[in-house]
Amino acid sequence: AQSVTQLDSHVSVSEGTPVLLRCNYSSSYSPSLFWYVQHPNKGLQLLLKYTSAATLVKGINGFEAEFKKSETSFHLTKPSAHMSDAAEYFCVVTRTGGDKLIFGTGTRLQVFP
Amino acid sequence: DGGITQSPKYLFRKEGQNVTLSCEQNLNHDAMYWYRQDPGQGLRLIYYSQIVNDFQKGDIAEGYSVSREKKESFPLTVTSAQKNPTAFYLCASSMIRGEVEAFFGQGTRLTVV
Repeated sequence: AQSVTQLDSHVSVSEGTPVLLRCNYSSSYSPSLFWYVQHPNKGLQLLLKYTSAATLVKGINGFEAEFKKSETSFHLTKPSAHMSDAAEYFCVVTRTGGDKLIFGTGTRLQVFP
Repeated sequence: DGGITQSPKYLFRKEGQNVTLSCEQNLNHDAMYWYRQDPGQGLRLIYYSQIVNDFQKGDIAEGYSVSREKKESFPLTVTSAQKNPTAFYLCASSMIRGEVEAFFGQGTRLTVV
């Protein structure tokens, strides 16, 4: 069985400060993990993915995430927030090799000037 | 351009009507998915299909039906049995082996009038 937990439903930061969005997963299999971003009334865009290669994954728009097996975590970070980063972020797990996607409940990121 | 297309973007349904949401992809992906998104509830899986002429129920399949007659197409019908259909519906597709990240359409907002 697989599951994913996003530990914060809302995160607020000031522009120019670091961003941390937390995600913990549970998987009986070797997992593939993803972060997606969704702007209002839009589809989801892939930010980055982990599929059993390097544990530190770099994505688009300056985001990165680190796969920590011992902590079953895949937290999303960015050194300096920009106003355009304000959106909903979803952590997703699936089984490497193919299976249905399991979504977290999302974290809404607010960025203040 | 390769991608996944949902139509229409906005849809209005009268009480007791069935409506069908379209989803087409030209990415040659094996798997296709339908999700429902409600405010504050993240994405919930309605149906998914990993091969033509086969599909599985997700977590909230009641009141919905799908078909997968072609690899490129995975239409979703919201039937009159779905008591609370007003929501944002997202279609996605992915490979089932190798690069398994999902690509999303831009969504259809369904409103009951």
